[in-house]
Amino acid sequence: NAGVTQTPKFQVLKTGQSMTLQCAQDMNHNSMYWYRQDPGMGLRLIYYSASEGTTDKGEVPNGYNVSRLNKREFSLRLESAAPSQTSVYFCASSPTGFYGYTFGSGTRLTVV
Amino acid sequence: GDSVTQMEGPVTLSEEAFLTINCTYTATGYPSLFWYVQYPGEGLQLLLKATKADDKGSNKGFEATYRKETTSFHLEKGSVQVSDSAVYFCALSNNNDMRFGAGTRLTVKP
Repeated sequence: NAGVTQTPKFQVLKTGQSMTLQCAQDMNHNSMYWYRQDPGMGLRLIYYSASEGTTDKGEVPNGYNVSRLNKREFSLRLESAAPSQTSVYFCASSPTGFYGYTFGSGTRLTVV
Repeated sequence: GDSVTQMEGPVTLSEEAFLTINCTYTATGYPSLFWYVQYPGEGLQLLLKATKADDKGSNKGFEATYRKETTSFHLEKGSVQVSDSAVYFCALSNNNDMRFGAGTRLTVKP
């Protein structure tokens, strides 16, 4: 089915390790987003890409980097994981914000 | 900046009860308004939306009306089912910047 695919679904890292979360969409959407979801704090925007070739910081970008590899793919990298980055990470895409977002099923990350 | 405030949960209802989840917003200009639903272990799904004042969004028996005079977008359903148990998020989009409320957990008991 068409939509947003995130990998992996679960991951456990040790403090200081690095990893990349992958996201791909097949709806030809221009904009893509990375959010983290923490209990009691709703969704917070980490980074977004309004169009291929552009990326911008969101509300909580520290400790993360992103790459918009092409129109379909938008990856999120943790260079040196910290316990504070334990969270559920969601990728989303949209033709524009006017239409609402399509979300992936999430990556549950635990940093020990 | 733009923001969304929704009623705190959790909300617990019996099957077939009437549901209201309040949502108010603060924004410049004319944002689009949304309700998303998140079932356990899944991502958010768009439930309904409204793009201008007095528009009513509806889907799966849920509805919400864009009230500019009260800056509100309350979610309602006339008769909830156990399968409606989920977390509901109100959101607004202004100039491609989506802001989410904190979410309201709904539990429906048989």
